[in-house]
Amino acid sequence: GAVVSQHPSRVICKSGTSVKIECRSLDFQATTMFWYRQFPKQSLMLMATSNEGSKATYEQGVEKDKFLINHASLTLSTLTVASAHPEDSSFYICSAREGLAGAQGTQYFGPGTRLLVL
Amino acid sequence: ILNVEQSPQSLHVQEGDSTNFTCSFPSSNFYALHWYRWETAKSPEALFVMTLNGDEKKKGRISATLNTKEGYSYLYIKGSQPEDSATYLCAPHLPSNRLAFGKGNQVVVIP
Repeated sequence: GAVVSQHPSRVICKSGTSVKIECRSLDFQATTMFWYRQFPKQSLMLMATSNEGSKATYEQGVEKDKFLINHASLTLSTLTVASAHPEDSSFYICSAREGLAGAQGTQYFGPGTRLLVL
Repeated sequence: ILNVEQSPQSLHVQEGDSTNFTCSFPSSNFYALHWYRWETAKSPEALFVMTLNGDEKKKGRISATLNTKEGYSYLYIKGSQPEDSATYLCAPHLPSNRLAFGKGNQVVVIP
């Protein structure tokens, strides 16, 4: 099946630091990638949808200046948490979808990144 | 935001026993429903995509049914094995090709 990698798997940083997370589709071209966040005992919450070569679409309540998304190629999307603070500590996970699939298109997930901001 | 309820939130099952759990979602504007299986420290794995009322899908000992009119889907595990221990996520499809996830059904199979 389709494989999505995510790096790093875990990061600990000081408050005020910017953190970049990479999401790569390894064996397919991902026209669309999604970024989710999960707090303890909560569901995966969609943060933004990114389409290759265009600006990301952010969900309501997600600050685009805080969570910078770049989808420069069909296999790579990055999420940068700008000037991270302790409240940004969470589990971030990306997914990628091949082609222009609609409601039936499967999203393939990376393994996630655990961010801890001290 | 779509309200997706999964119950029970967690369950312990004896090896060899069968089990099932529920995903409830608003029945209006239904597009599709995705089920994922998420083992600890791994990526969520796609199990099923279901679109039609009355759909029934099967993958090995795991199967799922869909009722779009009343807004629910059941996932069944037959003859549970320790490797079935995971969190099972359901995700109805929102407009604009987005998914809305429930909190998951955490299954622990006891040897």
